[in-house]
Amino acid sequence: NAGVTQTPKFRILKIGQSMTLQCTQDMNHNYMYWYRQDPGMGLKLIYYSVGAGITDKGEVPNGYNVSRSTTEDFPLRLELAAPSQTSVYFCASSETGKETQYFGPGTRLLVL
Amino acid sequence: DQQVKQNSPSLSVQEGRISILNCDYTNSMFDYFLWYKKYPAEGPTFLISISSIKDKNEDGRFTVFLNKSAKHLSLHIVPSQPGDSAVYFCADYNQGGKLIFGQGTELSVKP
Repeated sequence: NAGVTQTPKFRILKIGQSMTLQCTQDMNHNYMYWYRQDPGMGLKLIYYSVGAGITDKGEVPNGYNVSRSTTEDFPLRLELAAPSQTSVYFCASSETGKETQYFGPGTRLLVL
Repeated sequence: DQQVKQNSPSLSVQEGRISILNCDYTNSMFDYFLWYKKYPAEGPTFLISISSIKDKNEDGRFTVFLNKSAKHLSLHIVPSQPGDSAVYFCADYNQGGKLIFGQGTELSVKP
């Protein structure tokens, strides 16, 4: 099993550009999550989904959008990139909301 | 406000000695805590957990202790190995079933 995969691994954006961070899991998990990790900080939840067609905001949703059209995929969209969105982004999944979360390898984003 | 705090950003230990990583929490909903380990350029991986029905959980060289009265948990690694060098996060579940992470402690185990 590949687990949770994320693309791209690294990206540089200019201010105002948009991009989509891809996340796919092959474990048939219902729950999926997007986190960001800033230097010296813990992971902050951006958005999460409890199943296809259902998404909800986490702690730091501003500047991001998500969709969940299938169980496997949970893309994160940045519409107007800002320097404050420079971070490492992790996608995760879990079978239910109270079990271990499995993380992808992360996408490092630099906004200049 | 539910919070998880790791007040030591870094810890350096000699190989073979004990590593103790600490975590304090407030207003836990379920008293169920997890430790994740993260290597550079990788995502966090689950390490060990503990629930309120226990005050200790052991898995090989890793033991987590929970002191509910002090709202404190700690992760002990004995003996420490260079491959244990990583960032360790403690985490707590909130009412919505979402994880709240501490800031992380970077452990360096020197040969």
